[in-house]
Amino acid sequence: AQKITQTQPGMFVQEKEAVTLDCTYDTSDPSYGLFWYKQPSSGEMIFLIYQGSYDQQNATEGRYSLNFQKARKSANLVISASQLGDSAMYFCAMREGYGGFKTIFGAGTRLFVKA
Amino acid sequence: GAGVSQSPSNKVTEKGKDVELRCDPISGHTALYWYRQSLGQGLEFLIYFQGNSAPDKSGLPSDRFSAERTGGSVSTLTIQRTQQEDSAVYLCASSLAGQGYEQYFGPGTRLTVT
Repeated sequence: AQKITQTQPGMFVQEKEAVTLDCTYDTSDPSYGLFWYKQPSSGEMIFLIYQGSYDQQNATEGRYSLNFQKARKSANLVISASQLGDSAMYFCAMREGYGGFKTIFGAGTRLFVKA
Repeated sequence: GAGVSQSPSNKVTEKGKDVELRCDPISGHTALYWYRQSLGQGLEFLIYFQGNSAPDKSGLPSDRFSAERTGGSVSTLTIQRTQQEDSAVYLCASSLAGQGYEQYFGPGTRLTVT
């Protein structure tokens, strides 16, 4: 069965520093996709970055990068040069199987960026 | 273009009443998802549609929950005989077909059962 684990309920980071948010997953399917979403206090869910299980390189999107370690089944999100606006909940999610749509989300990590 | 819309934005209902939550996905998105998010918690998968069919209904919490999608577009999530534990934000999302496509989320419907 699918499982996503985010072990950090809350994280603090100083503005302009980098921060890593942890995510581990469990699946027996060789084909899967991993996603990170941001949820500010306003409640909207915002897509950040995607990594496919067959992708050879780590995904990057601006200040976001995904540290994908397939053997360890981890997909950590790295945010570089943190900004005050990065304060939010961050969710890791997995979609299993080619063409499958069921998506499982982790419990989330609340990030606080300090000025 | 227009994003995912949901209605109502807020719903207060009495225990035992039925409620209908509506989701309008982005035009052209064949996949549609429903999630439930309790206060301060993660997203609980409820159901997804590919077109009008729902291949996986395993996330629906009980037989009081049902969902349908018509015309490959609008979806309705119905909760019958609501209970206080049904109180949560119900999020709808849509995406293009395929594993690598991100989901676009609506603003959610906050359901409060009194």
